[in-house]
This record gives sequence, structure tokens and C-alpha cells, in this order.
Amino acid sequence: DVKVTQSSRYLVKRTGEKVFLECVQDMDHENMFWYRQDPGLGLRLIYFSYDVKMKEKGDIPEGYSVSREKKERFSLILESASTNQTSMYLCASSGGTVGTDTQYFGPGTRLTVL
Amino acid sequence: AQSVTQPDIHITVSEGASLELRCNYSYGATPYLFWYVQSPGQGLQLLLKYFSGDTLVQGIKGFEAEFKRSQSSFNLRKPSVHWSDAAEYFCAVEAAGNKLTFGGGTRVLVKP
Repeated sequence: DVKVTQSSRYLVKRTGEKVFLECVQDMDHENMFWYRQDPGLGLRLIYFSYDVKMKEKGDIPEGYSVSREKKERFSLILESASTNQTSMYLCASSGGTVGTDTQYFGPGTRLTVL
Repeated sequence: AQSVTQPDIHITVSEGASLELRCNYSYGATPYLFWYVQSPGQGLQLLLKYFSGDTLVQGIKGFEAEFKRSQSSFNLRKPSVHWSDAAEYFCAVEAAGNKLTFGGGTRVLVKP
């Protein structure tokens, strides 16, 4: 079974703090994705990566950055957390860029910024 | 740009009754379409996907979905709902490069 794990289920940070959210997948997938989930808005793509050291902006990249130093690990970074970044963050991975590859999701990190 | 609309934010259904969740998409090319389910406190799990061929797609947990190109719809159905089907359901369309665009979700409540 594919497993995607996220470092924390719940996280509370203060405004202005630097925040790291970690995601690890164990299936040697090329692609990794970060989404945020908000009520009524579904999931929105923040950043994605097709390979190590490669990153692409998604639909809502402002205020975020990412790092992919190893194939299995994809980190989301909030350089200076703000209250409007309070949300559920979901990581996903998939095998390739062919249209039939399924994305597998982690359990999510619920981040609260005070 | 592609978009997905799930018109129903909440649906309440009695256990044993049928369920239909609506999904409308906007996409210029042949769409790849997905339904995911999120149980409370869990990540998203794929229910089914459509890429081509038969427009009626069977998935896990007894769900099926029908692709109707003329209506730009991909509605999800289950003939008889179980209490464990209470969850949030997301429809998604895939753009180039395996990127997904999700609808806003439909939360399903199951009455005993």
C-alpha cells in the first residue's frame, strides 16, 4: 500500500513564525503536491514537484515556499505565518505525469496561526 | 482554466436510501475525472476515476459514477447508503501534468 505521512496532525503557531510542514511518501513517486483545504473551497493547489530539486507554483503559492531535496520528502514552508494561513494542509504523491496516475493523500495537518 | 462545481454543500440521506451527488466541470479537452471521499479526521481516498471508454464507472464501497459529456457532468451514485458513508465527497478534474482541480465538496449526513 502507498503510504503518505505528514509530520504533524495538529500544529499551533504564532503570527510571524516560520513554519515547516513535512511530507514523506514511501512509493518512490516522482510527483508530490501540497494543497490547502478550506470549507466550501475544496482543495487548492499550493505547489507541486515532478522531481528532486524541482518545484512549480500551483494556484495559490503566495506566502508559501517548498523544498524537495530528496525524492521521498516534500516540505512546505510558511516563511512568516499569518492568521489567514490557518487551514488544513494535505500532501499527495503520484507516480508520473501521465493522466492516469492516481494521487495518494496523507492524513493532513491542521494548522492554527494565532 | 478548468473548474469544478458541486452544487450541494450538504446532503442528508436515510440509511438504506439511495444517494446521488452532483458534479459539473468545465474543461476544454477530454477530461480525466475523479471522486474522492474524506472520512472525519482522514485524508482523501480515491473512490473512482474516469479516463475514457465506458461512461459508467464502478468504484470502491459500492459507488458508481456516470460521465455525461453533453451535460459536463460526472455524478456519483450509491443505491443503498450505509452509516459509514457519512463523509465529505470531492469531485476533481485533472489538467495537464497530473494537476487536480477540486470542487468545493459535498458533506453527506446519514440518518439512522
